[in-house]
Amino acid sequence: DADVTQTPRNRITKTGKRIMLECSQTKGHDRMYWYRQDPGLGLRLIYYSFDVKDINKGEISDGYSVSRQAQAKFSLSLESAIPNQTALYFCATSDEPGSTDTQYFGPGTRLTVL
Amino acid sequence: SQKIEQNSEALNIQEGKTATLTCNYTNYSPAYLQWYRQDPGRGPVFLLLIRENEKEKRKERLKVTFDTTLKQSLFHITASQPADSATYLCALREYGNKLVFGAGTILRVKS
Repeated sequence: DADVTQTPRNRITKTGKRIMLECSQTKGHDRMYWYRQDPGLGLRLIYYSFDVKDINKGEISDGYSVSRQAQAKFSLSLESAIPNQTALYFCATSDEPGSTDTQYFGPGTRLTVL
Repeated sequence: SQKIEQNSEALNIQEGKTATLTCNYTNYSPAYLQWYRQDPGRGPVFLLLIRENEKEKRKERLKVTFDTTLKQSLFHITASQPADSATYLCALREYGNKLVFGAGTILRVKS
């Protein structure tokens, strides 16, 4: 089984709808991240969490919110989706930065907002 | 402003040759730099990490160099194969900050 899973893998929705993307991991890492990827812009950090009680905004958090339900689960919500949120979304985990902070990514969710 | 630059044009090379990908950065003082591979429709996969005090790192057919004076990292794949075709991302991290990714370079290896 994959270490980091994301659901759904693909989603098409309409402007104004609320959307939740879910992420689960079995790596036992405390740190979890949400990124979006757009052509030519690379991966940009939306939110990150260092443990269940710790949530932090990333580079592009406007229009998004997150919930860390457990060590293994980190969800991303779009409260009112807009077309420029159409992108590929990745969840990732990492180990402690004292080692390498290597990111382990999920398979991604392709979100289209019409 | 801070920037990480990777060649936006795809790199096309012949099988068996060495592929060299470049990652340049501006206004960062990275503690280390990482390289990832991303296949279409999949998440990035970690390949190699090099620290600020290291000049070179190798792993099988992969080699990474890190020149903090030039503010550049080079990623080499020797004896390239069609299976090496993918997008390669560099990412760097400063002490106390988060990992920041470049936009990636597409590598196409033709048989």
